[in-house]
Amino acid sequence: EVQLLESGGGLVQPGGSLRLSCGGSGFTFDTKAMNWVRQVPGKGLEWVATISGFGDTIYYTDSVKGRFTISRDNSRNLLFLQMNSLRADDTAIYYCATMWIQLSPTFDNWGQGTLVTVSS
Amino acid sequence: SVLTQPPSVSAAPGQRVTISCSESSSNSGKSYVSWYQQVPGAAPKLLIFENDRRPSGIPDRFSGSKSGTSATLVITGLQTGDEADYYCGTWDSVLSLGVFGGGTKLTVV
Repeated sequence: EVQLLESGGGLVQPGGSLRLSCGGSGFTFDTKAMNWVRQVPGKGLEWVATISGFGDTIYYTDSVKGRFTISRDNSRNLLFLQMNSLRADDTAIYYCATMWIQLSPTFDNWGQGTLVTVSS
Repeated sequence: SVLTQPPSVSAAPGQRVTISCSESSSNSGKSYVSWYQQVPGAAPKLLIFENDRRPSGIPDRFSGSKSGTSATLVITGLQTGDEADYYCGTWDSVLSLGVFGGGTKLTVV
């Protein structure tokens, strides 16, 4: 059974930094592209970033480019999201998700999420 | 790509409901759509991928289809446990980014 467990969320001041982690188990970690998707409580889903299995291909949504960095450590089955220059509109639940890629990329397994609150 | 869903739908237990997802796309309708269910307080769960395929463990009461730039999720034999938010999603292969619809709240009344 695939399991994803996020950690690292919390309260941070505007302009601050936070590093999220996501541990994966139940699958061969380096064979799966991984993603971060966020959701403002009570609002819809927003894709944030994707990293390929070996980390050589990375994509970001425009609003986080230059501020967030997605990375992974396949030796420890860990996915990361380094978030710098945080703003109030980054406040959200951050989910990590695996990606199924055959005909089209799909977010097939999701973690339970970690809440990031950016506020003074 | 932009995916547009109705904000809400409702139906009675045992009935059939459809949720639409309209795509205005740089992929010209060639993209594949997936559907996600999010029960209140829980993480999203994949229901349908590649327009009409169900992951193992998803009941056949849930089905998906796509024609041109319009995708549809159909739920038959509605149960109170189906009350949730439903999101369509796709990958824009031209711009290399993930896209979700705004979500549809299903009420089973």
